[in-house]
Amino acid sequence: DAGVIQSPRHEVTEMGQEVTLRCKPISGHDYLFWYRQTMMRGLELLIYFNNNVPIDDSGMPEDRFSAKMPNASFSTLKIQPSEPRDSAVYFCASSFFSVADMGTQYFGPGTRLLVL
Amino acid sequence: AQKITQTQPGMFVQEKEAVTLDCTYDTSDPSYGLFWYKQPSSGEMIFLIYQGSYDQQNATEGRYSLNFQKARKSANLVISASQLGDSAMYFCAMRETGGFKTIFGAGTRLFVKA
Repeated sequence: DAGVIQSPRHEVTEMGQEVTLRCKPISGHDYLFWYRQTMMRGLELLIYFNNNVPIDDSGMPEDRFSAKMPNASFSTLKIQPSEPRDSAVYFCASSFFSVADMGTQYFGPGTRLLVL
Repeated sequence: AQKITQTQPGMFVQEKEAVTLDCTYDTSDPSYGLFWYKQPSSGEMIFLIYQGSYDQQNATEGRYSLNFQKARKSANLVISASQLGDSAMYFCAMRETGGFKTIFGAGTRLFVKA
């Protein structure tokens, strides 16, 4: 089975533009997570979904960030308007909860975002 | 509150030797899971190994083993017979049963010398 798929892999945009990051989780997984990784703050959880429903978005930095999961095989993270401080690597991860492994998360390759 | 601490920002190991990467954690939940991930320079996050808090034996996956000491709240990763391809950043992570949030440590960068 294919792993978590993210697109685009790299994105360079100008401040003020809208950015949309996309994620396809592993088939059969019922949890989906969006993370942001920076040198200064490390890996931060932004939001996660269970069965397409947002469960915890307390990590979303501000209203400029929004995430959706319209179906079990697709999610988007949108930044509008983008700012230079949003430059980071954004990871999507998915998991299927089981007692055996506490719902180990499997990560996509990440999207490297640079906002100029 | 959950907390993960990785005190070694960087480590060097000679090829073919074993290395231990430290991880300590803090939680009040008696049921939790501990994870290790590898992030090579290419950037992807690769799951390595999992240990449940009620598991009686230390987890092993090939050359990776997890030295789980529950009373000390430590979950060190041991890599045996290091290879050049093991050079990467390694993250320890924890999830409590009560929630699905997984928290990550700051990471340890491992350098394997030929």
